Amino acid sequence: QKEVEQNSGPLSVPEGAIASLNCTYSDRGSQSFFWYRQYSGKSPELIMFIYSNGDKEDGRFTAQLNKASQYVSLLIRDSQPSDSATYLCAVLGSARQLTFGSGTQLTVLP
Amino acid sequence: NAGVTQTPKFRILKIGQSMTLQCTQDMNHNYMYWYRQDPGMGLKLIYYSVGAGITDKGEVPNGYNVSRSTTEDFPLRLELAAPSQTSVYFCASRTRLAGSETQYFGPGTRLLVL
Repeated sequence: QKEVEQNSGPLSVPEGAIASLNCTYSDRGSQSFFWYRQYSGKSPELIMFIYSNGDKEDGRFTAQLNKASQYVSLLIRDSQPSDSATYLCAVLGSARQLTFGSGTQLTVLP
Repeated sequence: NAGVTQTPKFRILKIGQSMTLQCTQDMNHNYMYWYRQDPGMGLKLIYYSVGAGITDKGEVPNGYNVSRSTTEDFPLRLELAAPSQTSVYFCASRTRLAGSETQYFGPGTRLLVL
């Protein structure tokens, strides 16, 4: 079992819709969870982090964490074509290693 | 990519050659990481460091070595390059202060081993 798993994708949503991205992890000692956006040919950019169970909102982005289910998700509301990118989930493990999932490619259709 | 610099941007190596990828950050972050990213894939952790003088292996450390003699620098050494090491290499730094997370990635080094 991979340590961090994401929806295989690709995911396409129409402009203005909600995009939902999911991630599961195996290390129950993990305490910090991150979402990144990566445009083609560029380096990843941190867009959300969450430490506690529940929801965390920042603008059009909402991160959701459920430690009991070892599940973290990212919702993008009012999706825009400029949101088209690969979204990466990462987990800070108990040994302080930062482990990434394989990413989900999102396309927002105008 | 503010704060994390990587050199070189691009390099072609012959099989069996060695090289060092440089990574420097000026934000006094304790944590630093090296990743490789193959086309269409996520980032795989090679090595990481939680502070000067401390390094640990990640998921794919074979064929690589690191050192962390200062907080600022975290070079990655490739010994005896192989075609399987063809990839894009990213260095990253992070810190957590007052409940807020800051992370930066370098612009990447594209390595081709022929």
